[in-house]
Amino acid sequence: QVQLVQSGAEVKKPGSSVKVSCKASGGTFSSDAISWVRQAPGQGLEWMGGIIPMFGTTNYAQNFQGRVTIIADESTSTAYMELSSLRSEDTAVYYCARSEWNIDDYTDYYSMDVWGQGTTVTVSS
Amino acid sequence: EIVLTQSPGTLSLSPGERATLSCRASQSISSSYLAWYQQKPGQAPRLLIYGASSRATGIPDRFSGSGSGTDFSLTISRLEPEDFEVYYCQQYGSSPTFGQGTKVEIK
Repeated sequence: QVQLVQSGAEVKKPGSSVKVSCKASGGTFSSDAISWVRQAPGQGLEWMGGIIPMFGTTNYAQNFQGRVTIIADESTSTAYMELSSLRSEDTAVYYCARSEWNIDDYTDYYSMDVWGQGTTVTVSS
Repeated sequence: EIVLTQSPGTLSLSPGERATLSCRASQSISSSYLAWYQQKPGQAPRLLIYGASSRATGIPDRFSGSGSGTDFSLTISRLEPEDFEVYYCQQYGSSPTFGQGTKVEIK
């Protein structure tokens, strides 16, 4: 059974960057798609982007283009999400999640069936 | 971007009652790329339904999904105490988006 374990909570200053990790175990990391979803306090869910580690192909939400970078290290079965130019509105819980994907379109991800435990990122001066 | 609108925002029901949650899309969702998730406070979402009507592994059969095109629904046939949570619909594919959520609360 696939498990995703994320790195610990972060406190960052406005204008800085944060990098969150997501380590997979018990599954086929390279052939999965790993997405990042965030949830601001008391708010809903927002998809940020994803990666298929086997190909290194990424797909980013338009709202985060240019500010988010998602990479994957197959040797350690770990995905990373880096968000730059942080502002207070980026305060949120950040989740990684696994899904399968469309073999005819590497940006076409299916439903997310395994989730990490979440990482709280607080942006404050 | 496909916008998903969930209704109602809050649903007040008693244990044992039937719950019907709605999710309407701003444009047709291809291949029924529609999922439902349940979220408990302080926890990650849990996948309930994918492909509009298929239950995920381990999900009780009191949960069912239906719909196509732009109108979808999640039905909980008889509410158990552990079902009083927040539910999100999601359209997936190359630009996934989520609805704003429906909270099912005890009346």
